Amino acid sequence: QSALTQPASVSGSPGQSITISCTGTSSDVGGYNYVSWYQQHPDKAPKLIIYDVSNRPSGVSNRFSGSKSGNTASLTISGLQAEDEADYYCSSYTSTSTPYVFGTGTKVTVL
Amino acid sequence: QVRLVESGGGLVKSGGSLRLSCAASGLTFSDYYMSWIRQAPGKGLECVSYISSSGSTTYYADSVKGRFTISRDNAKNSLYLHMNSLRVEDTAVYYCARLKSPPAFDNWGQGTLVTVSS
Repeated sequence: QSALTQPASVSGSPGQSITISCTGTSSDVGGYNYVSWYQQHPDKAPKLIIYDVSNRPSGVSNRFSGSKSGNTASLTISGLQAEDEADYYCSSYTSTSTPYVFGTGTKVTVL
Repeated sequence: QVRLVESGGGLVKSGGSLRLSCAASGLTFSDYYMSWIRQAPGKGLECVSYISSSGSTTYYADSVKGRFTISRDNAKNSLYLHMNSLRVEDTAVYYCARLKSPPAFDNWGQGTLVTVSS
């Protein structure tokens, strides 16, 4: 089971919106609505920000939103803020012998 | 709130062993699947193992199968990872994380660093 594919980096100016893609296959992203997204600041533990494709845990800003089309999931950050600068990882449940797979990670830079 | 605190990491030589622990609080520990997720320096995330709420079901990534053993003590609200035959490529920060249902890793510890030297 290969890692899900994410762009290595995405950047934007404060106030702009950016979108991070997460591409898998019909055995993972395309086959289940169990895509989650994690934010990780340097030297910190990952934090769940989206689960079940588009749901936000309590306390997570509504500037974060998720969606899915076919084998590709997306995370959109609207109204980009300096504190959003971090690494972002997607994850999906899979039907393979590896039940959970993560994406390759995307570094978000706020210009 | 949920708190997960890992311990037991350190420097070990290739072929050696370590036992990681994760102390949980703020949740009914025995209700949840728990997992160990690792992150090699500068790399991405990998779920290396998880265990069902009762301990009857376990999963291991191929990279650790036969060398690592996950266990839990629900009476002590604790999760463990016994690591044997450690390799240089096992060097990573190891996170304890709750695996909720529907599946997502919704609470993470601060991590413990395991360094395997040759």
